[in-house]
Amino acid sequence: KAGVTQTPRYLIKTRGQQVTLSCSPISGHRSVSWYQQTPGQGLQFLFEYFSETQRNKGNFPGRFSGRQFSNSRSEMNVSTLELGDSALYLCASSYLSGRTGELFFGEGSRLTVL
Amino acid sequence: AQSVTQLGSHVSVSEGALVLLRCNYSSSVPPYLFWYVQYPNQGLQLLLKYTTGATLVKGINGFEAEFKKSETSFHLTKPSAHMSDAAEYFCAVSEEAAGNKLTFGGGTRVLVKP
Repeated sequence: KAGVTQTPRYLIKTRGQQVTLSCSPISGHRSVSWYQQTPGQGLQFLFEYFSETQRNKGNFPGRFSGRQFSNSRSEMNVSTLELGDSALYLCASSYLSGRTGELFFGEGSRLTVL
Repeated sequence: AQSVTQLGSHVSVSEGALVLLRCNYSSSVPPYLFWYVQYPNQGLQLLLKYTTGATLVKGINGFEAEFKKSETSFHLTKPSAHMSDAAEYFCAVSEEAAGNKLTFGGGTRVLVKP
């Protein structure tokens, strides 16, 4: 069974640009969550989508957005990039949306903003 | 608001020695608690979780954790460290009615010395 796939794995952007990251969950999983990982702030929750609906959102500015498609694949977008957006963005999928905490993580997309 | 504190950002142990990673949490509701492990350049993998019931929880790779409500702790242990245990470990707590949103501690990086 294929795991969570994130693309691209690495990317470099400049300030002011926008970026779109993609996540394909494990087959059959309907929940996709996104997390940002940085050395200074650690792991922070961005948002969760379940059956194409945003279920929860973390404390990030509106420049961070996401969506989920009918096949459960998800994308997140960051507009008007800032240096502080440099991070590892992790996607996690789960069959359910609940307090199970049994999230399956991808290897992440490492974004560098210059 | 929930929070998780991991005491010690770096821990060094000798191969064969006890591994003890400390985690304390604050939560206004009965917590669901988790330990995840992250190997270099990889995503996170669930080691074990506590939801309800038995307070001593066994996980993968010989790890276990004990939930102590009176101490608001969920420390992770492994009796005998192996070189393959070198990784970063994260304690996390989930919120009721918050779907798959996890609040993570700052992480503890484990170095195993031969």
